[in-house]
This record gives sequence, C-alpha cells and structure tokens, in this order.
Amino acid sequence: GAGVSQSPSNKVTEKGKDVELRCDPISGHTALYWYRQSLGQGLEFLIYFQGNSAPDKSGLPSDRFSAERTGGSVSTLTIQRTQQEDSAVYLCASRSQPNTEAFFGQGTRLTVV
Amino acid sequence: AQSVAQPEDQVNVAEGNPLTVKCTYSVSGNPYLFWYVQYPNRGLQFLLKYITGDNLVKGSYGFEAEFNKSQTSFHLKKPSALVSDSALYFCAASNAGNMLTFGGGTRLMVKP
Repeated sequence: GAGVSQSPSNKVTEKGKDVELRCDPISGHTALYWYRQSLGQGLEFLIYFQGNSAPDKSGLPSDRFSAERTGGSVSTLTIQRTQQEDSAVYLCASRSQPNTEAFFGQGTRLTVV
Repeated sequence: AQSVAQPEDQVNVAEGNPLTVKCTYSVSGNPYLFWYVQYPNRGLQFLLKYITGDNLVKGSYGFEAEFNKSQTSFHLKKPSALVSDSALYFCAASNAGNMLTFGGGTRLMVKP
C-alpha cells in the first residue's frame, strides 16, 4: 500500500482480555515505531525496530506489553490482561533512513471497559 | 539519551499575527529535526525537517522553522496565522541511530 496501515481502527475490549494491534509499514522502510497517545496528549514512545537489530523496548510500560516484527515488515503489538489505563490511541510509524520523515498510520483507538 | 522539550502546552495567537511554537532538543551528534501537525481525530502529518544546510527551512502550509545549534532549538514559525492552523504540533528529533523522540506537543489556538 501507499501508506502505513493499522488495524483495527477501533477496538473495544473487556478488562483482562488480550489484544493484538497490527501495523503494516511502507514497503522498504527498515525502521518501525510504536507510540501511544492518550486523549489529546503527547506521544509516548513504546518500542522501535530497526532492520534485523534487536528492538529497543525501553518504552514498554509493563511486561504485559510486547511486540514483534515478522520478516522485517508487519508488526504486531500485543497487550495481555488489558487494564483501563491501557485505553489510548496506538500509533505506528515507519521510515527508511534517520534523516527522512516518518510516516504515521491513522492509529488504533483502544478502549478497555 | 535523546530528549525534546516543548515548553508551552498551548499557544494562543490572533489570526493574521505571527506565530512561534518553541522546541529545544538534546541529541548526541548531528541532529535531524522534524515538525508534525495533528488535527482533531487525524493522524500526524509531516510539516518540515532540518537535516543539514540552511538554518531556515520551509515546509507545508507556509510554515518554517529555524535551526539554532548554539541554543539547541528548532522553533516553528509562520508569518501570518490562520484559524485553520489551530491544531496540536509536535517537534521530533533523531540522529544517525534512528531513534525518533517526540516532544510533548503544543496546542496552537488561532482566534479570529
């Protein structure tokens, strides 16, 4: 596709359930980032992948959060045993080089009830 | 560790007046600097970037930004604000290591 694609666009889940959020980056982009944005607030860094290197997981808020990137392309962010404070918009971005702009998907709005 | 600071949570300006949204950064090595805009219920859109060269960079929608190495700043500017510029603005920094760090965002309110 032409842009970064995220699915689902909206997800409502019950507290305690696991969720998977998907990001399909722009083809050829080696760097992929996950951020979290609470309503109208700033971007909280979660994790980033760079090529075949080990991901930088320094932003993951707890061990309930994990992410993988298969084949250097699609990435999945998994949240286990969701809590109400996990409710936010989860944004994915990709880019090709450090001196190029990152392109963002439209995000997944997660609501934990 | 990299960091980006946007010291103002909100900037208010009257339509037609110049606007400035401030950003300072801390990056090892040569910085790559970016500005993004987010309209309500929309994704982040790229506005402009500084990589190297001229300190004044021009971007979309009449925005420009000035890179100041000594002050480690990259302020976003526009000579004449429009009501439609009202949005959330994010500054971001990177270096050769590819980590992309964002500031906390500044809400710009342009009043008629």
